[in-house]
Amino acid sequence: VQLVESGGGLVQPGRSLRLSCAASGFIFGDYAMHWVRQAPGKGLEWVSGISWSSGSVGYADSVKGRFTISRDNAENSLHLQMNSLTTDDMALYFCVKDAGYISTWFASSGMDVWGQGTTVIVSS
Amino acid sequence: YVLTQPPSVSVAPGESARIPCGGNNIGDKSVHWYRQKSGQAPVLVIYYDSDRPSRIPERFSGSNSGNTATLTISRVEAGDEADYYCQVWDNTNNHYVFGAGTKVTVL
Repeated sequence: VQLVESGGGLVQPGRSLRLSCAASGFIFGDYAMHWVRQAPGKGLEWVSGISWSSGSVGYADSVKGRFTISRDNAENSLHLQMNSLTTDDMALYFCVKDAGYISTWFASSGMDVWGQGTTVIVSS
Repeated sequence: YVLTQPPSVSVAPGESARIPCGGNNIGDKSVHWYRQKSGQAPVLVIYYDSDRPSRIPERFSGSNSGNTATLTISRVEAGDEADYYCQVWDNTNNHYVFGAGTKVTVL
């Protein structure tokens, strides 16, 4: 079971970035997925979640209206489109699998598989 | 919803480490716990208050009642040094909340 993030990098404030996560070793379409971020030297912050079928999504207040989560079950991939980035968005972004089978993104059974993360740096 | 964890806990090898996670009526919620070693991704160590993933040693246990959930690490080893985070689902605001994390140091 593996999650591999990509797409991070250096971006100017106000610009956009699209993160991707490639999943393998499990039936991707059977599980909700999440993005969780960690600013340098700080704790964990949940960013967004999506149900197994893409029928329901959720966002932290800090990113609502700027970030969009999506998934492609045929390609075993998860994405996070990030617009209007600010320095507060600078963090290591983890792609995370929900532990619940055929699960929604809310009321999680726990987050049982984490990628190694991709780093987003927002700076002019 | 706010989860309160002590910044640090120190414990001697072989002793037990108890990591509290405080929240208003947290006993009515399901609490998950994660371990994050330096430079690594988090790992789920306890889910639904007290259940343990198969790969996690029996030394890890959890409880939840009233206003405090607790992660207990028995017979602490040097390899248990890490940051530990509690997490709940906030059904009022429809988002997940993590505690600020507790750094466990093995003396």
